[in-house]
Amino acid sequence: GAVVSQHPSWVICKSGTSVKIECRSLDFQATTMFWYRQFPKQSLMLMATSNEGSKATYEQGVEKDKFLINHASLTLSTLTVTSAHPEDSSFYICSARGLAGTYEQYFGPGTRLTVT
Amino acid sequence: AQSVTQLGSHVSVSEGALVLLRCNYSSSVPPYLFWYVQYPNQGLQLLLKYTTGATLVKGINGFEAEFKKSETSFHLTKPSAHMSDAAEYFCAVTFNTNAGKSTFGDGTTLTVKP
Repeated sequence: GAVVSQHPSWVICKSGTSVKIECRSLDFQATTMFWYRQFPKQSLMLMATSNEGSKATYEQGVEKDKFLINHASLTLSTLTVTSAHPEDSSFYICSARGLAGTYEQYFGPGTRLTVT
Repeated sequence: AQSVTQLGSHVSVSEGALVLLRCNYSSSVPPYLFWYVQYPNQGLQLLLKYTTGATLVKGINGFEAEFKKSETSFHLTKPSAHMSDAAEYFCAVTFNTNAGKSTFGDGTTLTVKP
């Protein structure tokens, strides 16, 4: 149980284009999902908290107009990187929060984005 | 503000030896503590967690950790390392006052030598 998927697992796009990454909770409903960015050999950096049916809450320093997050259902959150640039190349990981009060997170396998 | 410190960015042990990965946190309220493992190009997998109750918690793959409030620590141990344990390990802390957001340590790379 508690499986989270991400799609695509890797993507290469040209500079200036937009890329959408999907995060799905496969066997449970997730009212809260988190989006992280991870640089090589570094820890996870929280980008935003995504709540179903409401606007995402972005961490300080994260451009909300560049990283669009939508959480339209209890099993799907999407991250769209708009007008991507090479510096946006990174490993993006989503997680879904478990049952209320448990605070553990179930992580997706990650999406490797390369912007050329 | 909450923070997590993992002492030692790299730990190397021989196969069969004790694994000890250190994690300390700073907090003024009771924390929820987690250890995750990450293999290359993959997401994170929960190893174990402490929320309330017994301070010694057992997780998957033979790992365990002990919450020591007086030392603000949550060190991860395994009696005998396997080659398959080689990975990146992250300690994380969450509080019920911050909407469930977790703060992660910088990670420790575990290398297991044959």
